Amino acid sequence: EPEVTQTPSHQVTQMGQEVILRCVPISNHLYFYWYRQILGQKVEFLVSFYNNEISEKSEIFDDQFSVERPDGSNFTLKIRSTKLEDSAMYFCASSENGVVWSTEAFFGQGTRLTVV
Amino acid sequence: GENVEQHPSTLSVQEGDSAVIKCTYSDSASNYFPWYKQELGKGPQLIIDIRSNVGEKKDQRIAVTLNKTAKHFSLHITETQPEDSAVYFCAASSAGSQGNLIFGKGTKLSVKP
Repeated sequence: EPEVTQTPSHQVTQMGQEVILRCVPISNHLYFYWYRQILGQKVEFLVSFYNNEISEKSEIFDDQFSVERPDGSNFTLKIRSTKLEDSAMYFCASSENGVVWSTEAFFGQGTRLTVV
Repeated sequence: GENVEQHPSTLSVQEGDSAVIKCTYSDSASNYFPWYKQELGKGPQLIIDIRSNVGEKKDQRIAVTLNKTAKHFSLHITETQPEDSAVYFCAASSAGSQGNLIFGKGTKLSVKP
């Protein structure tokens, strides 16, 4: 069964450092997403990406964040200068079409980011 | 913007009993309502979804109902099994959105054998 894979599973970084979280979406999917879940809180939408550009982003997704599809398979989330409050589980997801039109958005297993 | 409230936060049932989780939403423009199951160490997995032109949808032991007037939707799991134990999230998405799912806080369901 196809799946979304994320690496690393756990990342520890010093405050102020840059981190890149990596995702390999399902190969025939066209829409890609990043969500995050702070411990004990809701899963929150960060950004959606389609046709090599951001199609939608939340208030959380400020200038410290960026996304990129550097090649035909990877989808990355970069946090330029990490803050303590960026500590969370980050989920990548993909769907064949936009979520509202598609039958399913598939989520990866997540990357736990810990900023110290 | 959209706000989704989910209740209860924890739910414990005996194996074989039914479990019901309820969510309310605030944006009347929302028209897509998925439910996700999250097992320990894994990402959310879609288990069932419903769109605003339908009032009820069933898939084996799982059903979802939607009341657009009252702006609430519910997940029903019948004949619960220990493997149903997980955290369940409801979510809502507005027309025109391509991925901005607004999630509830989650319900931790424990099914006791």
